[in-house]
Amino acid sequence: DAGVIQSPRHEVTEMGQEVTLRCKPISGHNSLFWYRQTMMRGLELLIYFNNNVPIDDSGMPEDRFSAKMPNASFSTLKIQPSEPRDSAVYFCATSWINEAFFGQGTRLTVV
Amino acid sequence: GENVEQHPSTLSVQEGDSAVIKCTYSDSASNYFPWYKQELGKRPQLIIDIRSNVGEKKDQRIAVTLNKTAKHFSLHITETQPEDSAVYFCAASANSGGGADGLTFGKGTHLIIQP
Repeated sequence: DAGVIQSPRHEVTEMGQEVTLRCKPISGHNSLFWYRQTMMRGLELLIYFNNNVPIDDSGMPEDRFSAKMPNASFSTLKIQPSEPRDSAVYFCATSWINEAFFGQGTRLTVV
Repeated sequence: GENVEQHPSTLSVQEGDSAVIKCTYSDSASNYFPWYKQELGKRPQLIIDIRSNVGEKKDQRIAVTLNKTAKHFSLHITETQPEDSAVYFCAASANSGGGADGLTFGKGTHLIIQP
């Protein structure tokens, strides 16, 4: 298995544009998490899914953020409209029972 | 929700010495406590974890201790080496089995090993 795959690896966009981040989990993992990492706030849990169902989205900062998991092999995190303060590294992680495996992350820069 | 505090934010030790990183958590329902290591520009990776039914776990130079009464857990690295330099994150969750609940992470400790 290639591990958790995120795309794109880097994204530079202008303020106000829509941004979509993608994640392909490890096959068989039934939990999927989206995290945001910044120097100031560390690793923040945005939302997590169990068996494709959103369980806890209390970490989603505001209505501009939305996440979907239409099937067991794909998830998206969308920001619309994007703002400079959304600049961060976004990690997707997946898990089955125990260890969470992280993707390589998407570095988002909003200018 | 869960709140995890981690200290110190930066730790500098001489090569060969020991390093200790401490974390506290707030939710008494938490029962799974992993530690992740993140090297510069890379993803966090699990190095060791502990469940609430044990008080200590060791893996070569790394050990983790857990005090459920006090709600704190610690990472101990002995005989530190240059490759131990990284950011270390503690985390906690109420792992219900059949799929981990969301991990709440501490803010991280930047460990610097001085040659």
